[in-house]
Parts: sequence; C-alpha cells; structure tokens
Amino acid sequence: QKEVEQNSGPLSVPEGAIASLNCTYSDRGSQSFFWYRQYSGKSPELIMFIYSNGDKEDGRFTAQLNKASQYVSLLIRDSQPSDSATYLCAVVIGGSNYKLTFGKGTLLTVNP
Amino acid sequence: EAGVAQSPRYKIIEKRQSVAFWCNPISGHATLYWYQQILGQGPKLLIQFQNNGVVDDSQLPKDRFSAERLKGVDSTLKIQPAKLEDSAVYLCASSSLRTGDRDTQYFGPGTRLTVL
Repeated sequence: QKEVEQNSGPLSVPEGAIASLNCTYSDRGSQSFFWYRQYSGKSPELIMFIYSNGDKEDGRFTAQLNKASQYVSLLIRDSQPSDSATYLCAVVIGGSNYKLTFGKGTLLTVNP
Repeated sequence: EAGVAQSPRYKIIEKRQSVAFWCNPISGHATLYWYQQILGQGPKLLIQFQNNGVVDDSQLPKDRFSAERLKGVDSTLKIQPAKLEDSAVYLCASSSLRTGDRDTQYFGPGTRLTVL
C-alpha cells in the first residue's frame, strides 16, 4: 500500500467553481499534513498545513483533516485560471524526524 | 528573508559522467533535505541533514550518490557515475526547529538534470 495516495487527475473545473482535491495516507501515527502547489517547471510552494482534525481556512483555500478516516483534502473556492497547477499532498509519517512523504500530485486545470 | 538557493539550475551530462549540485538553505535553518523528483511523480527524499549530521539517508543510492553538509550550512549532492534514470529535478529544502514551524519545508528552485 502506498503511503500517500492522490488521484493524479487531471481535474478540470470552470472558473469560479470549487475545486476539491483529495489525499489518503496509510500511517495512523501521522501528525502533520501539508498541501503544496507546483506550477509546471517550478518548485513546490507551500499553501497550507494542518495538524488537527477539522477544517482550516486561509483565504480561498480550506484544508480538511479526518484522522479517523486517514483522509485530508484541499478545497479551492472561486477557482481562478492562475490556480491551474499540480497540487501535492505531503505527510510527516509518524515518528519520522519530520520526514515528508509526498503523493504523486493532482493536476488541476481551471478553465476560463 | 532570502529563500533556498541552488545551483546550477540546469545540467546536461552523458551517462557515466559525474555531477554535483549545491544548496544554500534559508539562514538559520538547521534541517536540510535533498529530494529527487522524476517527471510525473512527487518529490522523493534522498537525504536529510540536521546541522551537519545525517538523519535519514535510507533512500539514497549510496553506490553512486553522496552528500555532505560541512559546517552545518551549505550542502553538496554528488552523483558518480550518472545513469539515464537519474534524469530528474533535484530539489533542496530547508526547515527550522522552531516550535510551530518545525515541519514546514521551504524548497529551492531545483536543478534539472538530463543524462544522455
């Protein structure tokens, strides 16, 4: 079983819609969860991190964490064409000296 | 605050040649990471340093890859000899040990390596 799994997409949404990106992880001991955005040819850029169950909002972005289901998601409200990128879910596997394990990423395309 | 610096940005070599990449982390960041990102994949951790000691190198192909972090600041990653499958982007990241920010890693621009 892969440690961090994401749908590779591509996920296509119209401008102004809500984009929903999902991620599951295998290690129940995981404590820290991150979403990175990566534009084509660029390095990953941190969008949000979440440590506790529930929702965390930052502008148009909301991260949701459900540790019982081992599931973390990212919602992007009012999607813009500039949000078109690959979104990487990353998890600090439990007891791993802050080692990040990444999913393969989901390619999001926002159509004008 | 200056970000993570890496050089070179691009490198093309032939198989069996050697190559080295350099990284300068964010000032004051104790932890430094090297990742390999193959096209279409997420970054894969190669090695993690805390100050100048190795914390995790379990996924580093030690027969051909080596890394060092002298004086706990800059780091160099070397590949010798290179194989075709080493073609990838090599990302350096750093993080601090401050509570509340300890897990957050900040990435440099990466070095795109092409092995012919």
